[in-house]
Amino acid sequence: DQQVKQNSPSLSVQEGRISILNCDYTNSMFDYFLWYKKYPAEGPTFLISISSIKDKNEDGRFTVFLNKSAKHLSLHIVPSQPGDSAVYFCAASGGSGNTGKLIFGQGTTLQVKP
Amino acid sequence: NAGVTQTPKFQVLKTGQSMTLQCAQDMNHNSMYWYRQDPGMGLRLIYYSASEGTTDKGEVPNGYNVSRLNKREFSLRLESAAPSQTSVYFCASKEVYNYGYTFGSGTRLTVV
Repeated sequence: DQQVKQNSPSLSVQEGRISILNCDYTNSMFDYFLWYKKYPAEGPTFLISISSIKDKNEDGRFTVFLNKSAKHLSLHIVPSQPGDSAVYFCAASGGSGNTGKLIFGQGTTLQVKP
Repeated sequence: NAGVTQTPKFQVLKTGQSMTLQCAQDMNHNSMYWYRQDPGMGLRLIYYSASEGTTDKGEVPNGYNVSRLNKREFSLRLESAAPSQTSVYFCASKEVYNYGYTFGSGTRLTVV
C-alpha cells in the first residue's frame, strides 16, 4: 500500500517557466512533509518542507503548497532553471508509532530545457 | 565535515555471497536509516535505528540484517545475496528534533 504517491514519473518544462510537481498521500496522521532533490550518482538532498499546520511554505524559487482536505501537496519552482533538472521525491513523516521514519513517493524526474 | 559516508560505492556480488555495507556519520545524529532505491518504487525503508542500541524493521527488511555498532556507525548486511537485492542503497541520519535526513551518496549493488 503506497502511502505517498507521485503519479507523474516525469515532467519536462522550458527554462523560465513554472514547474509543478505533485504528491498525494493517504495517511491523515502524517504531520510533516518534505521534498528532496536527487542528482544522478548522488544522495538525495533536502529542498523544502512544510508542517501540516501550514498550507504554504516558500523558500526563494521554491514553494510547497499543502491541501490537507485533499491529502495533496505540490512543489512549485519559479522560474525553472536547467540546474533544477533532477529527480524530486516527496516524503511524509508521522502516523502511528512514528519514530522519525520518512515515507517516500516514487519520485518525479524533472527536465528543464534551455 | 563529511556528513554521511557510505562504503563501498559500487559492488558486484554473485548470488549467495554475503557482504556488509558500511555507513558512518560525523554529525552526532541519534537516528540512522537504510533505504533502497529501485526504479518506479522510490525509496523504501529497510531498517532503521532510532537511537544507539536499538534497531527496527522497516518496509522491506527480508534478506537483510543491521548492526548499530555505535552512535556513528550503522551497517547493513546481506547474508545470502539474491538478484532481487540489486539496487542502490542509501544510508541516512537525522537528529531527534529534526524531521529531515542527511543522506550518503549511495552504494550501487549488483547481484548476478
